[in-house]
Amino acid sequence: DAGVTQSPTHLIKTRGQQVTLRCSPKSGHDTVSWYQQALGQGPQFIFQYYEEEERQRGNFPDRFSGHQFPNYSSELNVNALLLGDSALYLCASSSPGQGAAEAFFGQGTRLTVV
Amino acid sequence: QKEVEQDPGPLSVPEGAIVSLNCTYSNSAFQYFMWYRQYSRKGPELLMYTYSSGNKEDGRFTAQVDKSSKYISLFIRDSQPSDSATYLCARAGGSYIPTFGRGTSLIVHP
Repeated sequence: DAGVTQSPTHLIKTRGQQVTLRCSPKSGHDTVSWYQQALGQGPQFIFQYYEEEERQRGNFPDRFSGHQFPNYSSELNVNALLLGDSALYLCASSSPGQGAAEAFFGQGTRLTVV
Repeated sequence: QKEVEQDPGPLSVPEGAIVSLNCTYSNSAFQYFMWYRQYSRKGPELLMYTYSSGNKEDGRFTAQVDKSSKYISLFIRDSQPSDSATYLCARAGGSYIPTFGRGTSLIVHP
């Protein structure tokens, strides 16, 4: 059983560019959450998708947007990249009834903005 | 004041030692408390979660929550070099969205 898979594992972008990160949830999970983890910090919640809609959002600007597809996979898009967007981006999947107690994380996408 | 405070360490202990990792939180409205382990270059892995004050044990790991003092602890017995990782505490309310501490780096040396 594949867990949460994310792609790509690493990428380098230039300031001002746009980036799309992808996530496939663990089998049986239908809720996907995205987090940003800066070096030396804990993950910070960006938003959560369920039934193809953004259900909850953290304190991130509109440059951060997402999408969930009918097969529950998800994308995170970041526009107008800033140097401060350099971080590990984590995807976590869960089932509605289990929530945070049973969230499984992918290994992340390391984004470097130069 | 951050919602979840955690000493970043590093905490270095010899193999076989009992490890104590601690967090404090500031909002009493939280119902769920979790501990995650994160190895270098990997995503966090849920170790334990609890809803209430008291202890919860799972193998070598014991999670302890004291809601009156807003204090969360994780104890690791018979620590192993493979336990070397960053340990993240987190709390969540009714939204089930965890808020994380910054993590404590643990090094268990042979």
